[in-house]
Amino acid sequence: EIVMTQSPATLSLSPGESATLSCRASQSISHYLAWYQQKPGRAPRLLIYDTSNRATGIPARFSASGSGTDFTLTISSLEPEDFAVYHCQQRANWPITFGQGTRLEIK
Amino acid sequence: EVHLLESGGGLVQPGGFLRLSCAASGFAFGSYAMSWVRQAPGKGLEWVSHIRESEGRIKYGDSVEGRFTISRDIPKNILYLQMTNLRAEDTAVYFCAKEATFGYHYFEDWGQGTLVTVSS
Repeated sequence: EIVMTQSPATLSLSPGESATLSCRASQSISHYLAWYQQKPGRAPRLLIYDTSNRATGIPARFSASGSGTDFTLTISSLEPEDFAVYHCQQRANWPITFGQGTRLEIK
Repeated sequence: EVHLLESGGGLVQPGGFLRLSCAASGFAFGSYAMSWVRQAPGKGLEWVSHIRESEGRIKYGDSVEGRFTISRDIPKNILYLQMTNLRAEDTAVYFCAKEATFGYHYFEDWGQGTLVTVSS
């Protein structure tokens, strides 16, 4: 099983600042990585797929990069609605696995 | 607009069983792979099971293999998850998810989830 490790566990920032979230895979997953945003009591929402492609309706302030084992999600100029939990997910190998999540909170 | 509505969750004793349903609308249900993903209270997401469009391929996570069964009724637009021999560690919100047009195993649309609590 591929283990996905996200860092930091919690990130405290202010609106207008930029956020950088990391996700590391225990073995190479090529570019088969997605990012999801989840707000309390809600279902996750797909943000990014195949490492860097924004899903439909996702604002351009969300960008992502990486390959192999190391991946990054960047949110430029944080909006109040961006404060949430972010999950990464690999689909390179069975079983599909998620990271433990990064909580982005308002400082 | 894609709509997924889970039902069937509830409180069940260890060793018991439940069947979850996910009613799908707004898309050609028979043309998309579907998955169940769960989230234990305060924890991260865990993929549970996947079924391809034609039921030709079915996959399970190791923690549920042999206890859970995924199926789909295409004419009725319903996805199911039959869960048996339930354990405390199966307690979670269970989401059904439509896999993406642009790639299997990315979850493009989600239901609101149904809570399963396994406790005596």
